[in-house]
Amino acid sequence: EADIYQTPRYLVIGTGKKITLECSQTMGHDKMYWYQQDPGMELHLIHYSYGVNSTEKGDLSSESTVSRIRTEHFPLTLESARPSHTSQYLCATHSGTDYNEQFFGPGTRLTVL
Amino acid sequence: AQTVTQSQPEMSVQEAETVTLSCTYDTSENNYYLFWYKQPPSRQMILVIRQEAYKQQNATENRFSVNFQKAAKSFSLKISDSQLGDTAMYFCAFMIQIQGAQKLVFGQGTRLTINP
Repeated sequence: EADIYQTPRYLVIGTGKKITLECSQTMGHDKMYWYQQDPGMELHLIHYSYGVNSTEKGDLSSESTVSRIRTEHFPLTLESARPSHTSQYLCATHSGTDYNEQFFGPGTRLTVL
Repeated sequence: AQTVTQSQPEMSVQEAETVTLSCTYDTSENNYYLFWYKQPPSRQMILVIRQEAYKQQNATENRFSVNFQKAAKSFSLKISDSQLGDTAMYFCAFMIQIQGAQKLVFGQGTRLTINP
């Protein structure tokens, strides 16, 4: 079944740790996105990729980095987590055909102490 | 500026009632799509309904319909015969072209509670 997977779903970690949030998809979509969502707030695009080996920054400045070595996989990495990184991170995919919907993963809720 | 404004942070109605969520947006783009997404508590964001900006006819999807006023840049969502499962955060968004992809610009969301 076509789906989007994010791991971990919840992560509580101390300041200064390196973390990687995983996003993988079996949708067969070329385009993948990372959105950041603070509690009760709108989503903001932080990174996206339109294909293998492409990565672009979004609207919201982020200290995270991403990579796209395989079509199915779009991990997000924070080299040194800080309390300001506490948020929910949503991964999304898009077929790129006209303006079809973006499909969202279940999200990772990150808390940095 | 590309912005979406949802002026109702929270709404609450009784089951079976009709509720309308408001949304206004601002974009200089001519070609864009509008969306309403639903985010149930601790669950995945899913699409409720979509509207192509070049179409005058309002989109409908079962109990969900929109009132799209392009000149006013207004895009409200009407939920008829509301059900307990409609309880969720609802986000209005529009999609525009960016380098090599398309991005969604979201509003702040409306927390809708359906009471039994």
